[in-house]
Amino acid sequence: EAQVTQNPRYLITVTGKKLTVTCSQNMNHEYMSWYRQDPGLGLRQIYYSMNVEVTDKGDVPEGYKVSRKEKRNFPLILESPSPNQTSLYFCASRWGGPYNEQFFGPGTRLTVL
Amino acid sequence: QQQVKQSPQSLIVQKGGISIINCAYENTAFDYFPWYQQFPGKGPALLIAIRPDVSEKKEGRFTISFNKSAKQFSLHIMDSQPGDSATYFCAANGDNFNKFYFGSGTKLNVKP
Repeated sequence: EAQVTQNPRYLITVTGKKLTVTCSQNMNHEYMSWYRQDPGLGLRQIYYSMNVEVTDKGDVPEGYKVSRKEKRNFPLILESPSPNQTSLYFCASRWGGPYNEQFFGPGTRLTVL
Repeated sequence: QQQVKQSPQSLIVQKGGISIINCAYENTAFDYFPWYQQFPGKGPALLIAIRPDVSEKKEGRFTISFNKSAKQFSLHIMDSQPGDSATYFCAANGDNFNKFYFGSGTKLNVKP
């Protein structure tokens, strides 16, 4: 089944404890992206990647890191999480050009205490 | 600063009625306008999309109306059904095709 998977789905952590949220897609998509969803703000793009080793900032990259060492994986790293990073996170992927459909993962709900 | 402004925040419609959600943008470089549907506990899924070379696009009960001069676009759901109850997001991109800007979302509740 073609899909985007994220792990973990739920995570409660404390301020400053480094964490990684994994994202994997099995559709051989070049483009992958991370978003955060907050009430009243919709989805905001954190980082995106056009292909292996090619990443760039979205609208809200502060406090986040990403890497793209393999085409199928695009992990999101929070090196020192803070409470304002408590949010619902989505990974997405897309084949080819900008007018093609973006496929979203099921989401990761992160709480930083 | 929100690049895409969406209204209303929430909407209650009777079964069989028409649901209308509106979005507005400022960046004239935007040229792709998708709508996403999100059910609780799920990721957003593409519902329908439009480019500014047409003023309307229809897929089943879902229609996008696009007004380029007003920089506005809207989603119309005809014959709304309880199964349409979800959160809807408009989005836009175009000046950088790898960057997407989403509206704040509309929670639709269709009453039986």
